[in-house]
Amino acid sequence: AQSVAQPEDQVNVAEGNPLTVKCTYSVSGNPYLFWYVQYPNRGLQFLLKYITGDNLVKGSYGFEAEFNKSQTSFHLKKPSALVSDSALYFCAVRDRPGSARQLTFGSGTQLTVLP
Amino acid sequence: EAGVAQSPRYKIIEKRQSVAFWCNPISGHATLYWYQQILGQGPKLLIQFQNNGVVDDSQLPKDRFSAERLKGVDSTLKIQPAKLEDSAVYLCASSLSQGAHNSPLHFGNGTRLTVT
Repeated sequence: AQSVAQPEDQVNVAEGNPLTVKCTYSVSGNPYLFWYVQYPNRGLQFLLKYITGDNLVKGSYGFEAEFNKSQTSFHLKKPSALVSDSALYFCAVRDRPGSARQLTFGSGTQLTVLP
Repeated sequence: EAGVAQSPRYKIIEKRQSVAFWCNPISGHATLYWYQQILGQGPKLLIQFQNNGVVDDSQLPKDRFSAERLKGVDSTLKIQPAKLEDSAVYLCASSLSQGAHNSPLHFGNGTRLTVT
């Protein structure tokens, strides 16, 4: 069965500093990985995805994520954090496209950017 | 494009009562999902539709939950009777097609259900 782990419930970072939100996954085949962001009282918004190709994926709002197959990780990064980046971040995985297999979400990481 | 519309935004009911949620996906999106998000957890898929057919309802508690998408457009999710543990945010999402990896999910703002 596929699974996602977000080991940190909470990440605090000062504005202007780089941020990292960690994600590790487990799938039986090739992983298809996603990051979503959720602002208070809102639904999830798609940030970026890794399907194949370059291990460094760039997404919305200056975020990027690095796929590391050997470490089964897909950490979310941003070089310079903004206060407006404060939100709940979810990593998700599916093991192959074109199938009905559901997208499995992690438990989420609350990012707080301090001014 | 207009986003995924959900109503109501909030609902408070007593246990053993029934409740229904409505979702209108993005126009042209064939796939529709209902997720349950309990506080402090990631969303959990309840049911997935492809047009008006059910693709996956393996995690839907069928003794009390039901969902339909009769004309392959909007959808309703019903709980009858509700239990305290059903308190959660119910998220509807849609995507262009079922498994296309370049088709991310678009979520509505959700319905926050409180069962007392």
